[in-house]
Amino acid sequence: AQSVTQLGSHVSVSEGALVLLRCNYSSSVPPYLFWYVQYPNQGLQLLLKYTTGATLVKGINGFEAEFKKSETSFHLTKPSAHMSDAAEYFCAAASGTALIFGKGTTLSVSS
Amino acid sequence: DADVTQTPRNRITKTGKRIMLECSQTKGHDRMYWYRQDPGLGLRLIYYSFDVKDINKGEISDGYSVSRQAQAKFSLSLESAIPNQTALYFCATSPKGARAPYNEQFFGPGTRLTVL
Repeated sequence: AQSVTQLGSHVSVSEGALVLLRCNYSSSVPPYLFWYVQYPNQGLQLLLKYTTGATLVKGINGFEAEFKKSETSFHLTKPSAHMSDAAEYFCAAASGTALIFGKGTTLSVSS
Repeated sequence: DADVTQTPRNRITKTGKRIMLECSQTKGHDRMYWYRQDPGLGLRLIYYSFDVKDINKGEISDGYSVSRQAQAKFSLSLESAIPNQTALYFCATSPKGARAPYNEQFFGPGTRLTVL
């Protein structure tokens, strides 16, 4: 069965620092992969997605992720964190009829 | 206007009560989903529906039921609420078939349910 693992339930960075949120998936067939962001008291918003083609995917708000088949990873990065990036981030994989979500990583940004 | 709306946004109820959460969408999508979110557990699928006559159980359907009243409406019911159903509930939609083979989903704002 497909599964998604997010390493680190909580990541803290300083404003201007690199953001790295880790996601690994388990599947014999590379799935479609997504990163969603959830701001406080809001629903989930799509940041970016990998379907086919280019393995480096750019999303909204300066985020990007790289699909690495050999490492079964889809880590999310942003070169310079902003206070407004503080939120919960979910990695997800499309598996047949449904999305399988990781447990989420809360990103805190300090000034 | 929001494409996916959920009502109510917040609800407090008592053990044993019946409660219904409603979801409506104006995106014209065929597929609709109900998830619950618990701290540290991410989102888990309760039920999903690919059209009005196609309803399927998800990972954690016990204690829940659903109704797809129309393409645009998908309701989640708790027949007899219990405290461990306290959670944040999300509705989501997605188009079917060739328009989105990779199943990107669009989420409502959530309903925070507390069962005392």
